[in-house]
Amino acid sequence: GQQLNQSPQSMFIQEGEDVSMNCTSSSIFNTWLWYKQDPGEGPVLLIALYKAGELTSNGRLTAQFGTTRKDSFLNISASIPSDVGIYFCAGRFNFGNEKLTFGTGTRLTIIP
Amino acid sequence: NAGVTQTPKFQVLKTGQSMTLQCAQDMNHEYMSWYRQDPGMGLRLIHYSVGAGITDQGEVPNGYNVSRSTTEDFPLRLLSAAPSQTSVYFCASSSGTEDFFGQGTRLTVV
Repeated sequence: GQQLNQSPQSMFIQEGEDVSMNCTSSSIFNTWLWYKQDPGEGPVLLIALYKAGELTSNGRLTAQFGTTRKDSFLNISASIPSDVGIYFCAGRFNFGNEKLTFGTGTRLTIIP
Repeated sequence: NAGVTQTPKFQVLKTGQSMTLQCAQDMNHEYMSWYRQDPGMGLRLIHYSVGAGITDQGEVPNGYNVSRSTTEDFPLRLLSAAPSQTSVYFCASSSGTEDFFGQGTRLTVV
């Protein structure tokens, strides 16, 4: 089955640094979503992107929907300890077809 | 507002046993789905439902059954548990633009 290629797999950064991660697919998606998962919890939606080229911000988070519809990236500025967790990208192909394909995740660790 | 509720949170099964993972949502969403999460693999779709009485297979359906008799409930059945089914299972419901996940069921098959 298809999965999205997400990189990097893990990141070790210091508090206050900016973070970038991206997701690529061999197939076109019409919706890109970014989720965060805390230990012992289910994924929680951070940002949703619905249009190719769209750039959307949510506080310190910024995400973009690639113009080819085959990629997306997520930036986190000025990281704080509560940013620790696993970040997943997910793509949805058809409007009205809610099936999601998930990336393999980026584990973010903040070094004290 | 409870959102998506999964039970149990933890379960240990012996090989060959059967069990049902429960999932309920109170948001009146038509679309519900089950995923399994394994280390380094992200979430993979097991089964999904687009409404009461309608279910379909996802990416990794073998060894699992589902039914959808009501809008609220979407149970996942393991017919004969195998060690390869050791995983964390997530149920989700979707509004069409946003997906809401339960807290997960951590299943170990010994």
